[in-house]
Amino acid sequence: GDSVTQMEGPVTLSEEAFLTINCTYTATGYPSLFWYVQYPGEGLQLLLKATKADDKGSNKGFEATYRKETTSFHLEKGSVQVSDSAVYFCALSSQAAGNKLTFGGGTRVLVKP
Amino acid sequence: DTAVSQTPKYLVTQMGNDKSIKCEQNLGHDTMYWYKQDSKKFLKIMFSYNNKELIINETVPNRFSPKSPDKAHLNLHINSLELGDSAVYFCASSQTGGGADTQYFGPGTRLTVL
Repeated sequence: GDSVTQMEGPVTLSEEAFLTINCTYTATGYPSLFWYVQYPGEGLQLLLKATKADDKGSNKGFEATYRKETTSFHLEKGSVQVSDSAVYFCALSSQAAGNKLTFGGGTRVLVKP
Repeated sequence: DTAVSQTPKYLVTQMGNDKSIKCEQNLGHDTMYWYKQDSKKFLKIMFSYNNKELIINETVPNRFSPKSPDKAHLNLHINSLELGDSAVYFCASSQTGGGADTQYFGPGTRLTVL
């Protein structure tokens, strides 16, 4: 079945540091890929998505590129802020699996001033 | 003008009780979902409904019964609660249920079973 693997956290960074969270996936067919973010005490919200190979999703300074050859969708941000402290989830959705979202285990990011 | 709302936000109850969680979306979406997030933050889909019709029913104990009275509402009823049911339950909705759709999540309901 479909699966998503992302690096375990917590990831602790200083403000203005570069952030990378690795995500790789296994899926049947051609899935859509997502990054969701969960701020403390809140529900998840979409950060960015990509629906086909080589697409780049971007939002709020975050970027991720759909790499079919390496089955990856790594999240990057060039200069993090304290307000980026959250749990980040990589996810995929494939038609073959009924279009349900399959999530990775989440990566907690803590940005210190 | 909350897009996806859930009630209650917190639910503390004894083992063996029956409880319900309600979800409403005002986005005009056709598809709604229930997810369970365990203590390690792992998220897993439980159910999805499209226009009041059950689409996804993962391997969830039959003590869990979703009900969709209309496409804006999806409630979750849990019978005979067990300790292992303690988790945060999230409701979500999306426009059509298609694979590329963005899902919009509610704030979650933290269920604690004592």
